[in-house]
Amino acid sequence: AQSVAQPEDQVNVAEGNPLTVKCTYSVSGNPYLFWYVQYPNRGLQFLLKYITGDNLVKGSYGFEAEFNKSQTSFHLKKPSALVSDSALYFCAVKYNTDKLIFGTGTRLQVFP
Amino acid sequence: EAGVTQFPSHSVIEKGQTVTLRCDPISGHDNLYWYRRVMGKEIKFLLHFVKESKQDESGMPNNRFLAERTGGTYSTLKVQPAELEDSGVYFCASSQQGGALYEQYFGPGTRLTVT
Repeated sequence: AQSVAQPEDQVNVAEGNPLTVKCTYSVSGNPYLFWYVQYPNRGLQFLLKYITGDNLVKGSYGFEAEFNKSQTSFHLKKPSALVSDSALYFCAVKYNTDKLIFGTGTRLQVFP
Repeated sequence: EAGVTQFPSHSVIEKGQTVTLRCDPISGHDNLYWYRRVMGKEIKFLLHFVKESKQDESGMPNNRFLAERTGGTYSTLKVQPAELEDSGVYFCASSQQGGALYEQYFGPGTRLTVT
């Protein structure tokens, strides 16, 4: 069955340090991978997606993600975290269908 | 351009009552999706409209849930009668085109609490 795993419920990082939010997927064939962010009292906002091509994808707000087919991972990264990056992050996958399959979410807390 | 809007933002009802959630997609978006997040768990797909037609309703949990999109504009999701396990956040999303390539734009969600 197709699934997405976000192994960390929460990630804590100091402002200015690099951050990584992990995501692995289990999908047969070629997946389309997405990252969304949810700020308090807001809807999910699209950050970036991987469809094909370069494994390193750049998105909004300085975020990037690296697709690793052999490890079936799509980790979200940012070189220098901001306090304003604190939010709930969701990894999602599509495979031959319109519906998004989401992970359980990871809460990112950036401390000043 | 206005984003996806949902109404109400919160709803608290008693078990056995009926609730109707509304979603207004981005203007011109033919594809409309409903998702639900039960506390602390993943966001799960409920169904997908293309214009007024149900394209995929494989995620609808049972027949107490009824989704409509008359006229292909806004959509409603009715829960009747509501059960405790229906509590969660209901998200609506829309996209201009369907298919795996296109990102979906989400609304702020409706938080439903069934007591």
